[in-house]
Amino acid sequence: AQTVTQSQPEMSVQEAETVTLSCTYDTSESDYYLFWYKQPPSRQMILVIRQEAYKQQNATENRFSVNFQKAAKSFSLKISDSQLGDAAMYFCAYRSGDQFYFGTGTSLTVIP
Amino acid sequence: DAGVIQSPRHEVTEMGQEVTLRCKPISGHDYLFWYRQTMMRGLELLIYFNNNVPIDDSGMPEDRFSAKMPNASFSTLKIQPSEPRDSAVYFCASSFGRGWETQYFGPGTRLLVL
Repeated sequence: AQTVTQSQPEMSVQEAETVTLSCTYDTSESDYYLFWYKQPPSRQMILVIRQEAYKQQNATENRFSVNFQKAAKSFSLKISDSQLGDAAMYFCAYRSGDQFYFGTGTSLTVIP
Repeated sequence: DAGVIQSPRHEVTEMGQEVTLRCKPISGHDYLFWYRQTMMRGLELLIYFNNNVPIDDSGMPEDRFSAKMPNASFSTLKIQPSEPRDSAVYFCASSFGRGWETQYFGPGTRLLVL
């Protein structure tokens, strides 16, 4: 069975610093996609970044980047130069074919 | 594009009442998903449609829940009768293409059943 695990329920970071959120997943599939979603207090889910499993290069979107370790089944999110607006719940998600799974989320606090 | 639209944004009802949540996906998207989010269980996929046809409803908690998609631009999630444990935020999301595109989430409907 596919599962997504986020082992850090809460994280905090000083403004302008860098923080890394962890995510591991379990799958027997070779073709899949991984995502990080941000959920601010408004509750809407916003896609932050996605990674195709067949790509070795780590995805990057401005201040957000991932460290994708396929063999280790690890998919961490790095936020550089953290801003107050980055404070939110962050969900790691996995998709393969018609299956879509979310982790339980990490609550990120940004300290001014 | 206005994105995925959900209504109502907030719903408060009494136990036993029927609740209908509505969703308008992004135009051109052929997949539509319904999720439920609670503190205890996190984010759960309830059901999804492809070209208006329900594909997998294994996440629907019980027979009190039903979902329909009468056309490509509208879907409903109905709970009848509602119970306090149904209180949650319900998200609708849509995407284009089977599995290879990003899901776009709506703002969610916060449901409180008293």
